[in-house]
Amino acid sequence: NAGVTQTPKFQVLKTGQSMTLQCAQDMNHEYMSWYRQDPGMGLRLIHYSVGAGITDQGEVPNGYNVSRSTTEDFPLRLLSAAPSQTSVYFCASSYIGSSTDTQYFGPGTRLTVL
Amino acid sequence: GENVEQHPSTLSVQEGDSAVIKCTYSDSASNYFPWYKQELGKGPQLIIDIRSNVGEKKDQRIAVTLNKTAKHFSLHITETQPEDSAVYFCAASKGANSKLTFGKGITLSVRP
Repeated sequence: NAGVTQTPKFQVLKTGQSMTLQCAQDMNHEYMSWYRQDPGMGLRLIHYSVGAGITDQGEVPNGYNVSRSTTEDFPLRLLSAAPSQTSVYFCASSYIGSSTDTQYFGPGTRLTVL
Repeated sequence: GENVEQHPSTLSVQEGDSAVIKCTYSDSASNYFPWYKQELGKGPQLIIDIRSNVGEKKDQRIAVTLNKTAKHFSLHITETQPEDSAVYFCAASKGANSKLTFGKGITLSVRP
């Protein structure tokens, strides 16, 4: 198993540009989520999904869109990048309703918006 | 919603000493408390977790204790080693189908 994979590892955008951060998992996990990590702020939930076709907002959803057309993939879209979106983005996945809620994290995407 | 606080924000210990990291949570309905370790340039990785029906759990040099009455839980690392140096996050959730709320993280430095 590759686990949770994220692409790209690094990205530089100009203000106003759009892009999609890719996330995929091969563990057949129902639950997938996106976090951003900023210095001194910990991990903050952006969006999450409990299955294909179902998404919901987390703590900091503004400026981001998600969709979940398959169990494996959960892309995060930045519609019009802003410097405030400079951050490290992590995707995570887990089973739902089992005896374990362990979330498995990807390696992250470091995004800089100029 | 849930609020998880982590203290202190940094901790430095001598190799071989013990380290204790404490977290408090606000929602008494939370029943799942994982701890994650994040090494430089990597994603967080689960190291141990505890559920509210258990007071303590051990795994080799690490242990987690939970005090439901006081709404706090702690990570204990014994015989610390330089490779324990990392950022540690605590989190809380209400279990299956529920979101994890993370603390802000603590940077642990183990001095050789």
